[in-house]
Amino acid sequence: GESVGLHLPTLSVQEGDNSIINCAYSNSASDYFIWYKQESGKGPQFIIDIRSNMDKRQGQRVTVLLNKTVKHLSLQIAATQPGDSAVYFCAENLPPSKIIFGSGTRLSIRP
Amino acid sequence: DGGITQSPKYLFRKEGQNVTLSCEQNLNHDAMYWYRQDPGQGLRLIYYSQIVNDFQKGDIAEGYSVSREKKESFPLTVTSAQKNPTAFYLCASRKGTEAFFGQGTRLTVV
Repeated sequence: GESVGLHLPTLSVQEGDNSIINCAYSNSASDYFIWYKQESGKGPQFIIDIRSNMDKRQGQRVTVLLNKTVKHLSLQIAATQPGDSAVYFCAENLPPSKIIFGSGTRLSIRP
Repeated sequence: DGGITQSPKYLFRKEGQNVTLSCEQNLNHDAMYWYRQDPGQGLRLIYYSQIVNDFQKGDIAEGYSVSREKKESFPLTVTSAQKNPTAFYLCASRKGTEAFFGQGTRLTVV
């Protein structure tokens, strides 16, 4: 069925290093993909999205890469900071409006 | 301030009772969503609505019901038919590609 999954459930990164969070998806019909950040006890916050006709998009300290050949999505966070500690979810939109989430990766930052 | 509001933040109910979770948005968004999140898990889609008076089942709709009589409101009823209703419930509305989430309602059924 439709699914969005993640390769790594937890990721520990040294402060100042770059973080890479990966995601696999299974539905070729998805027209865009989104990364969300969720802090404990709160609702997810939008980070960045990418349309299916793109392979790279950059934001402030974040870059999302999309490889449709292998159905893989990644989020790169540059110069990781303590405030980046959270659970990160990828999600895909199945047209017209069905947004499906993956299982999440917890990012922890080592001082 | 514009936003999406879920109430209450914490809710306790006895087993066998129906309970309705509120979700209100003043962002003028057409699409709204309900997700369920269990501890250490991702978000699973319960129901979504693309426009007023219309809604579709998500992946785990059994034991839940919704209505969309107004653009601003998308209440979720957790019925007694839901086998394991204790969870964190998240509502969202969407503009373009960005979904805006409420702060969630933590439902505990005892």
